[in-house]
Amino acid sequence: AQRVTQPEKLLSVFKGAPVELKCNYSYSGSPELFWYVQYSRQRLQLLLRHISRESIKGFTADLNKGETSFHLKKPFAQEEDSAMYYCALFGSGYNKLIFGAGTRLAVHP
Amino acid sequence: ETGVTQSPTHLIKTRGQQVTLRCSSQSGHNTVSWYQQALGQGPQFIFQYYREEENGRGNFPPRFSGLQFPNYSSELNVNALELDDSALYLCASSSGAGTMRAGANVLTFGAGSRLTVL
Repeated sequence: AQRVTQPEKLLSVFKGAPVELKCNYSYSGSPELFWYVQYSRQRLQLLLRHISRESIKGFTADLNKGETSFHLKKPFAQEEDSAMYYCALFGSGYNKLIFGAGTRLAVHP
Repeated sequence: ETGVTQSPTHLIKTRGQQVTLRCSSQSGHNTVSWYQQALGQGPQFIFQYYREEENGRGNFPPRFSGLQFPNYSSELNVNALELDDSALYLCASSSGAGTMRAGANVLTFGAGSRLTVL
């Protein structure tokens, strides 16, 4: 079965600390993975996707097929990074995104 | 370029009633997907529409149905509402043309319609 697991509901860090939001997936083929973010009172929006191999707002994510993970990382957290983060999987053969339950990142001053 | 717009933003219904939610896709997008997001959970895929036809469906009963119009806008209809249908309903559009082409499935989300069933 296809599944996305985000083991942490809440991640609380201080400004300037490194951040790693964990995401593990279950999928037998070649997945397409995304991170979406929802800032307070804003709509869900794409942060980054693995095929682009880009860094957005200082965040990066590397697909590790051996560990079936797609963790989101940032070396120095900023207060404006506080938001809800969702990892999502798009599996070929299926016309849908499968989302994890989300992790709330709280960055304290 | 306009984004995805949904209406209404909030509504309250009672059990057994029917509801219609509406979505206008982003300019240039031809595919619309609907998601249900219950409190504290990630969005769950309901179904997707492309060329006015259902093009993929999640694990939702038949009382969840939809339409897509020639201008790519869409409706989600839910019949015989149950208490567990209370959720935020998200519409997302994309230009994936209903294919599984890698990279084509970047979704642009609307702000959602919050449904409360009493």
